[in-house]
Amino acid sequence: NAGVTQTPKFQVLKTGQSMTLQCAQDMNHEYMSWYRQDPGMGLRLIHYSVGAGITDQGEVPNGYNVSRSTTEDFPLRLLSAAPSQTSVYFCASSHPGGGGGYTFGSGTRLTVV
Amino acid sequence: AQSVTQLGSHVSVSEGALVLLRCNYSSSVPPYLFWYVQYPNQGLQLLLKYTTGATLVKGINGFEAEFKKSETSFHLTKPSAHMSDAAEYFCAVSDGQGAQKLVFGQGTRLTINP
Repeated sequence: NAGVTQTPKFQVLKTGQSMTLQCAQDMNHEYMSWYRQDPGMGLRLIHYSVGAGITDQGEVPNGYNVSRSTTEDFPLRLLSAAPSQTSVYFCASSHPGGGGGYTFGSGTRLTVV
Repeated sequence: AQSVTQLGSHVSVSEGALVLLRCNYSSSVPPYLFWYVQYPNQGLQLLLKYTTGATLVKGINGFEAEFKKSETSFHLTKPSAHMSDAAEYFCAVSDGQGAQKLVFGQGTRLTINP
């Protein structure tokens, strides 16, 4: 049971480049989310999904796109990378209801130069 | 809107001493409350949670937290600190509905002195 798997673990991009951060979970969780972690700011929600085909914006969605074609996968796309998107990105998944708490991936450390 | 405030971005205690990490929240609905721990270069791991029922909840690694509605607090404690407890700790709140979107505090880095 792998849990939540994120790839890549590290990435350096040039300003203006695009890329996709991958996230996959094998727990059949319906809820999935993307967070970014910046020093002194905790984790902030970028986008989330309550099931395949359903996504919505979180607190800091600008510059990011998501899609959810399957229950297992929830990729995060950076359309045109900016230095302000330098951060650590975490994907998380959860069962709906019950307050079970999210299971987090190990993160992707992204640097935009 | 929900929010979380963690008092103290850095806390330092001696090995064997009491650990107390403070968390206050704001929520317009009965909250679900969580504490997560993050070890260096790793993801977040759930320590404990409060949803309903008993207000004193016990988690992994000897940690516990008490939900105090009147004080809107969910402080994390451990009677005796161990060197392995050094990490960053995050308090989070959700409304327990919909997508259970978590709102995190800014984190508290715990240092254990030998």
